Amino acid sequence: NAGVTQTPKFQVLKTGQSMTLQCAQDMNHEYMSWYRQDPGMGLRLIHYSVGAGITDQGEVPNGYNVSRSTTEDFPLRLLSAAPSQTSVYFCASSFSGSSPLHFGNGTRLTVT
Amino acid sequence: KQEVTQIPAALSVPEGENLVLNCSFTDSAIYNLQWFRQDPGKGLTSLLLIQSSQREQTSGRLNASLDKSSGRSTLYIAASQPGDSATYLCAVSNTGNQFYFGTGTSLTVIP
Repeated sequence: NAGVTQTPKFQVLKTGQSMTLQCAQDMNHEYMSWYRQDPGMGLRLIHYSVGAGITDQGEVPNGYNVSRSTTEDFPLRLLSAAPSQTSVYFCASSFSGSSPLHFGNGTRLTVT
Repeated sequence: KQEVTQIPAALSVPEGENLVLNCSFTDSAIYNLQWFRQDPGKGLTSLLLIQSSQREQTSGRLNASLDKSSGRSTLYIAASQPGDSATYLCAVSNTGNQFYFGTGTSLTVIP
């Protein structure tokens, strides 16, 4: 049972490049979400999904896109990377809104 | 928007001591509250989840309480051990879908 798997673990991008952060879970969780963690700030929600085909914006959605075509996968796309998107990104999942959140180990992204 | 505050930002205690970590939130109409542990370079691990109808939850040496009317939660750690050293984060949800996190308390337990 792998839990929540995020790839890659580290990534360096140049300003303007695009990329996709991958997130997969094998627990049959309906709820999946993406957070970013920056020094001195709490984790902030980017986008979330309550099931396949359903996504919604969180607190800081600008510059990011998501889709949920399967229950297992919830990729996060950076459309045109900016230095302000340098951060650690975490994917999380849960069975429902009343269940504990399970986190991946994060992707450390640097945009130069 | 829900604001979550955790005080203190850092705490250092000798091994064996009992300790309390604090979490406060501005909107008392919460759905649930979770306490997490984060080790350096790692993801978050859920420790305790308290639903809005509950007053406390216990797991081993950990006890979390919730007082919605005052906008506060505490995490009590009994008989602290060096392995408890980590950052502890509190997260509050008003809907079950969006969680608002505090900035955490960095705990060091000195052998």
